[in-house]
Amino acid sequence: LAKTTQPISMDSYEGQEVNITCSHNNIATNDYITWYQQFPSQGPRFIIQGYKTKVTNEVASLFIPADRKSSTLSLPRVSLSDTAVYYCLVLDSNYQLIWGAGTKLIIKP
Amino acid sequence: DTGVSQDPRHKITKRGQNVTFRCDPISEHNRLYWYRQTLGQGPEFLTYFQNEAQLEKSRLLSDRFSAERPKGSFSTLEIQRTEQGDSAMYLCASSLSSGRAVGETQYFGPGTRLLVL
Repeated sequence: LAKTTQPISMDSYEGQEVNITCSHNNIATNDYITWYQQFPSQGPRFIIQGYKTKVTNEVASLFIPADRKSSTLSLPRVSLSDTAVYYCLVLDSNYQLIWGAGTKLIIKP
Repeated sequence: DTGVSQDPRHKITKRGQNVTFRCDPISEHNRLYWYRQTLGQGPEFLTYFQNEAQLEKSRLLSDRFSAERPKGSFSTLEIQRTEQGDSAMYLCASSLSSGRAVGETQYFGPGTRLLVL
């Protein structure tokens, strides 16, 4: 099975850029790496997805190196409402869904 | 369509009782997933359906757990003879399959929080 590793928690301040890295090995070679955001008492919500290099959407960027053994979620100019838990999701080489344990991001004013 | 819905939102039961949860996915989505999440942990995959067919079931899933999606629309998750260790948030998600492996975007419901006394 693949294993993912994320920092347990991170702190930052409003207006800063935040980068959260997930390490993952033995992932499927032909599928996406996905990041989700979760607020308390809610289900996770899709943020961004990528296969390799860099992907950017209206809320985040995702950087994936060529070896795909890690991925970095970048949140530009965070606000208090970005306080949440962030998960990476990958498929392992047996096509099993593997969620990270999550990174609790706390944004301070 | 307002998204994935789950019912009930909260359930308290006594050990040994059976419980059943319902999930209504986004109407055009053909895939439906069930997860379990405990405090401070990421979602743990339980099972998923493509239309009415149950294609994958976690090897860690006890035989006390069973799920159905009889008409390829809503799904139910039943836990028989509940144990205190079953206390968790049960999440349902749906997606529109693009035909590849299960990496497409999933849309989650609000979850059902189960407490077994």
